[in-house]
Amino acid sequence: QKEVEQNSGPLSVPEGAIASLNCTYSDRVSQSFFWYRQYSGKSPELIMSIYSNGDKEDGRFTAQLNKASQYVSLLIRDSQPSDSATYLCAVKGNNRLAFGKGNQVVVIP
Amino acid sequence: DTEVTQTPKHLVMGMTNKKSLKCEQHMGHRAMYWYKQKAKKPPELMFVYSYEKLSINESVPSRFSPECPNSSLLNLHLHALQPEDSALYLCASSQAPGNSNQPQHFGDGTRLSIL
Repeated sequence: QKEVEQNSGPLSVPEGAIASLNCTYSDRVSQSFFWYRQYSGKSPELIMSIYSNGDKEDGRFTAQLNKASQYVSLLIRDSQPSDSATYLCAVKGNNRLAFGKGNQVVVIP
Repeated sequence: DTEVTQTPKHLVMGMTNKKSLKCEQHMGHRAMYWYKQKAKKPPELMFVYSYEKLSINESVPSRFSPECPNSSLLNLHLHALQPEDSALYLCASSQAPGNSNQPQHFGDGTRLSIL
């Protein structure tokens, strides 16, 4: 089992809709969870961090963490074409950041 | 633009060349990282420096040689690279290495092509 799994294929959403991304992790002692956005040809950009169970909102982004289920998600509300990118889930443990393979999001105008 | 600065942005080199990638941050971060990223793949950790000392080497071939001259600078020396080493090389930094809550911040990367 991979450390961090993002299993969904490319996600196409209409402009203005909600994009939902999911991520599971295998190490129960993980304490820090991050979502990075990466545009094609660019570097990863931190958009959300979450450390406690529950929801954390920042603008149009909401991260949700459930440590019992080892599950973290990202919701993008009112999706815009500029949200079209690959979203990387990352989990911190042993001074290493383990990345999922990423989910590509395409927002259709 | 990010607060982690990487130079050069692009580098083309032959397999016999020696070159260096540079990374600089002025956020007072004491942990710095090198990652390699191939197309449509997540970043792969190469090296971690904590308080200017190499703390993690992820079994990286010796043709890659990291160096941390001071707390703000991180170099990656390249020698005798192979075509499969062509990738985006990312530098990142974070606050005190023991604080797992601190996120890593990435530079814009150096796109390396080996001829």
